[in-house]
Amino acid sequence: IAGITQAPTSQILAAGRRMTLRCTQDMRHNAMYWYRQDLGLGLRLIHYSNTAGTTGKGEVPDGYSVSRANTDDFPLTLASAVPSQTSVYFCASSDASGRADTQYFGPGTRLTVL
Amino acid sequence: GQNIDQPTEMTATEGAIVQINCTYQTSGFNGLFWYQQHAGEAPTFLSYNVLDGLEEKGRFSSFLSRSKGYSYLLLKELQMKDSASYLCAVKDSNYQLIWGAGTKLIIKP
Repeated sequence: IAGITQAPTSQILAAGRRMTLRCTQDMRHNAMYWYRQDLGLGLRLIHYSNTAGTTGKGEVPDGYSVSRANTDDFPLTLASAVPSQTSVYFCASSDASGRADTQYFGPGTRLTVL
Repeated sequence: GQNIDQPTEMTATEGAIVQINCTYQTSGFNGLFWYQQHAGEAPTFLSYNVLDGLEEKGRFSSFLSRSKGYSYLLLKELQMKDSASYLCAVKDSNYQLIWGAGTKLIIKP
């Protein structure tokens, strides 16, 4: 593994189903993030984690939950998917939460909720 | 509220120069980032500005004026592979990135 991986690459999901998007990084970065990207809108932060064991809510957290049991993994769970959660989901990581730290992105998961 | 504005789409010719503007209104300022995103791919880091002035990196340069809430990304000697979306993002007082919707740059031969 080099960088950040996400799984699955894409998924079609029936409304009401539970889904977990996986994210793993091997850069030993402290901070990790989940974004959604929708056409015509900027990336929107869903949840973040500044260090293992802590999580925080971003701009659009409703309907999503996260956990950070260790440094490398940061799964995102949709407890009961709804069509408005159709989007491309990006996981990102950075080595600090200071000013200049750069976020590095995984390849994304394209999710369709029907 | 917080706001990042960029043009939706721009077209330029191979070999030419293009300037992509970004204006922002955020609660606090802890730096401005430019990312490149090819269609269907992840965003990748291009540049970071925290002080006023121009930062140059090869064919790409980024400028910042904090007093005007303004930045631009300058791409020189355009190549077909520069066809992509360019995302402007500002780190606010909570050290969270606020993202613009991106500018789709189309390069014509």
